[in-house]
Amino acid sequence: GAVVSQHPSWVICKSGTSVKIECRSLDFQATTMFWYRQFPKQSLMLMATSNEGSKATYEQGVEKDKFLINHASLTLSTLTVTSAHPEDSSFYICSARRPGLVVGGTEAFFGQGTRLTVV
Amino acid sequence: DAKTTQPPSMDCAEGRAANLPCNHSTISGNEYVYWYRQIHSQGPQYIIHGLKNNETNEMASLIITEDRKSSTLILPHATLRDTAVYYCIVFRGNTGTASKLTFGTGTRLQVTL
Repeated sequence: GAVVSQHPSWVICKSGTSVKIECRSLDFQATTMFWYRQFPKQSLMLMATSNEGSKATYEQGVEKDKFLINHASLTLSTLTVTSAHPEDSSFYICSARRPGLVVGGTEAFFGQGTRLTVV
Repeated sequence: DAKTTQPPSMDCAEGRAANLPCNHSTISGNEYVYWYRQIHSQGPQYIIHGLKNNETNEMASLIITEDRKSSTLILPHATLRDTAVYYCIVFRGNTGTASKLTFGTGTRLQVTL
């Protein structure tokens, strides 16, 4: 079946550095991808919608200059956490919807997530 | 999209049926009920969805009340691997690939021996 893949699965970085997370749709084209963040014991919070060939749409309260999103192709979106700080430590998850698989909508596929730890 | 209410946690003995309720009293006519689950430190996994009829697949059954204000996800024979957080989401289907899913707090299901 369709798969969305994230890389890396986990990353540890020093405070002040930048980290890039990749999200790929492996067997379908995704004009739109979604980035979520999840803190321990909390639900997924949508950060932004990544649009192929255009600017991302950010949810209220999410700093677009800190969380840079690039969706340069139909199968790849990247999230770069710039100047990371310990409070950015979280579980980041991407998602893409593939049309036509299920009646009544589009099934959303999720990546396996990336655990970011900023030290 | 309509909000949902789920109990924060439930326990279930292995081999028994797990019945997870969800209230969505403000659901509108064109909104579907979707269920996802998230096993610890993994991305969410699609389980099932429905509009008004009961649905069944290889993973679970979905029972939607006639007034559509609530639903129940049934895992017929729960195993330890079903331990996860289960999210009930109501969503307008057929709105294209740009429509986003919004997650509530979900139900943490603990399956025990």
